[in-house]
Amino acid sequence: DVKVTQSSRYLVKRTGEKVFLECVQDMDHENMFWYRQDPGLGLRLIYFSYDVKMKEKGDIPEGYSVSREKKERFSLILESASTNQTSMYLCASSPPTGTGAKNIQYFGAGTRLSVL
Amino acid sequence: ILNVEQSPQSLHVQEGDSTNFTCSFPSSNFYALHWYRWETAKSPEALFVMTLNGDEKKKGRISATLNTKEGYSYLYIKGSQPEDSATYLCAFVKDSGAGSYQLTFGKGTKLSVIP
Repeated sequence: DVKVTQSSRYLVKRTGEKVFLECVQDMDHENMFWYRQDPGLGLRLIYFSYDVKMKEKGDIPEGYSVSREKKERFSLILESASTNQTSMYLCASSPPTGTGAKNIQYFGAGTRLSVL
Repeated sequence: ILNVEQSPQSLHVQEGDSTNFTCSFPSSNFYALHWYRWETAKSPEALFVMTLNGDEKKKGRISATLNTKEGYSYLYIKGSQPEDSATYLCAFVKDSGAGSYQLTFGKGTKLSVIP
């Protein structure tokens, strides 16, 4: 069975802290994604990666960075957490384009981050 | 940023009622349209991946149609059950030529089925 695991379900951090959100997938997928979900705004793409050490900005990358050192792991980093980064963060992965899967994404359960 | 709209934003139906909601998306550079179901405290899960104009997909009591020329998709639920309560998301995949990785999601339709 397909599995995307996010390291924490709930996280509370203080303003200015450096925060790491970890995501691991066991499907050997090339593509991995980080989204945030806020009420009334839907899922918004922060960053994605289509290969190890590769990254691309999504629609709202400001205040975030990412790391993809191994194929199965994609980390989202908040360099200096701020209260407006309080949100639900979702990680997803997908098989490569051209495999017939048409970019179907498999999601983790989400991390609810509160920045105080 | 691509415009993907879903309506209604939320709806409440009685158990046994049939219902439908809409996703509208750009009618150019179409690659695929996805529907996901997101139940509370769970991960979003793919329901359908639709690629061809006129596509109809069905999974049990849930079905979806696709019109790429006019840029809309409908999701239908026949005989709604309480376990259908969830947020239904559609996502547009743009044909970017070199490889299409990115999904643009609508804001979702939150369905509540009242027993």
